[in-house]
Amino acid sequence: QVQLQESGPGLVKPSETLSLTCTVSGRSLSDSYWAWIRQPPGRGLEWIGYIYSSGSTNYNPSLKSRVAISIDTSTNQFSLKLSSVTAADTAVYYCARHIRLIAPMDVWGQGTAVSVSS
Amino acid sequence: DIQMTQSPSSLSASVGDRVVITCQASRDISNYLSWYQQKPGKAPELLIYDASDLETGVPSRFSGSGSGIDFTFTISSLQPEDIATYYCQHYDTFPWTFGQGTKVEIK
Repeated sequence: QVQLQESGPGLVKPSETLSLTCTVSGRSLSDSYWAWIRQPPGRGLEWIGYIYSSGSTNYNPSLKSRVAISIDTSTNQFSLKLSSVTAADTAVYYCARHIRLIAPMDVWGQGTAVSVSS
Repeated sequence: DIQMTQSPSSLSASVGDRVVITCQASRDISNYLSWYQQKPGKAPELLIYDASDLETGVPSRFSGSGSGIDFTFTISSLQPEDIATYYCQHYDTFPWTFGQGTKVEIK
């Protein structure tokens, strides 16, 4: 079955760029949509954006100026970059899959905690 | 953005009780609504999609209903393993948004 695993630094300094990778196992990235979602400590969930296997993307307007999602089909990974981070970007970051453009996110990674602090 | 208003924010019920959570969208989202269960320290898990379809492997005590603006999530007989926070989420148009969550506890 499909499994997703997030990886990346757990600590990022303010004003720097947060970089995370999601490794997909059990199937290829083809013909599916791959998303990032985050959850600040003790709070609810926020959709960040998605990338399709072709490379097309869609981002949350609240983060659009700072976010970039990319995909590498050769390594079966997709990545998140969030620039100019502040303490407000401290959160658990999840990657997830949806099999059609308009579809629920049916498979999630376990999440990775990122803290923004000097 | 479509706002999802979920209620209550928390509830306490006894084992075997029927639990009902509501979610209201700020505009018509047809049936593009899912419900997730999140246990402490874990990722959300999809329970219900398209407002009322049960994800494979999810116990039948979980159900969903509604369309348009108003939606309901029901646990027909609360079990100890159902202790979690539940979120609704729409996938009608981007950006996708979630409800604020409902924390379910055992009385």
